[in-house]
Amino acid sequence: DTEVTQTPKHLVMGMTNKKSLKCEQHMGHRAMYWYKQKAKKPPELMFVYSYEKLSINESVPSRFSPECPNSSLLNLHLHALQPEDSALYLCASSQDEGGYYEQYFGPGTRLTVT
Amino acid sequence: GQSLEQPSEVTAVEGAIVQINCTYQTSGFYGLSWYQQHDGGAPTFLSYNALDGLEETGRFSSFLSRSDSYGYLLLQELQMKDSASYFCAVSLYGGATNKLIFGTGTLLAVQP
Repeated sequence: DTEVTQTPKHLVMGMTNKKSLKCEQHMGHRAMYWYKQKAKKPPELMFVYSYEKLSINESVPSRFSPECPNSSLLNLHLHALQPEDSALYLCASSQDEGGYYEQYFGPGTRLTVT
Repeated sequence: GQSLEQPSEVTAVEGAIVQINCTYQTSGFYGLSWYQQHDGGAPTFLSYNALDGLEETGRFSSFLSRSDSYGYLLLQELQMKDSASYFCAVSLYGGATNKLIFGTGTLLAVQP
């Protein structure tokens, strides 16, 4: 199974809402990532978890809060977002046992903030 | 900082060969990789160069020259399904784990 799943596929939320994005992988990967992608732009790294600990935070605003409940799950909690946060949010995972390993991406959650 | 520049769009015909270039300004990276992303889809891994030279994977080949800060993806025998965005990416050591920094992306349009 080389699949990364993400839910929901689409999400529309108001600026005062609280919502969560979910990501799951069953490949035994120990590194998981959140990316943000605007239309016609490359994915931009937001957070990296390694062995269930937050390893990298790319200076992301606190209205985005990541969580890694276990080695297979990754959440992104959203609160008080701005319209400019509307984007495709991609989750990815990799083996990350040193050196480089390819990242496996999920299909993404398309978020619209109204 | 790091920057990876790619042509924004490339057009080619079915059956042809196309080269997508990636020039970068970054210091200290493990290697250069390439990802394909169809419209509305997830990026998928295509190829990786840890060392200078050519790597071949089926119809796709990738090349890296660290001395020239340059790489490219070569797609042969183009098919309509190859119409997609292509991103180069460098793998940087980010502390406990690696992280990818993506290039600006190239939209490839394959015409009949």
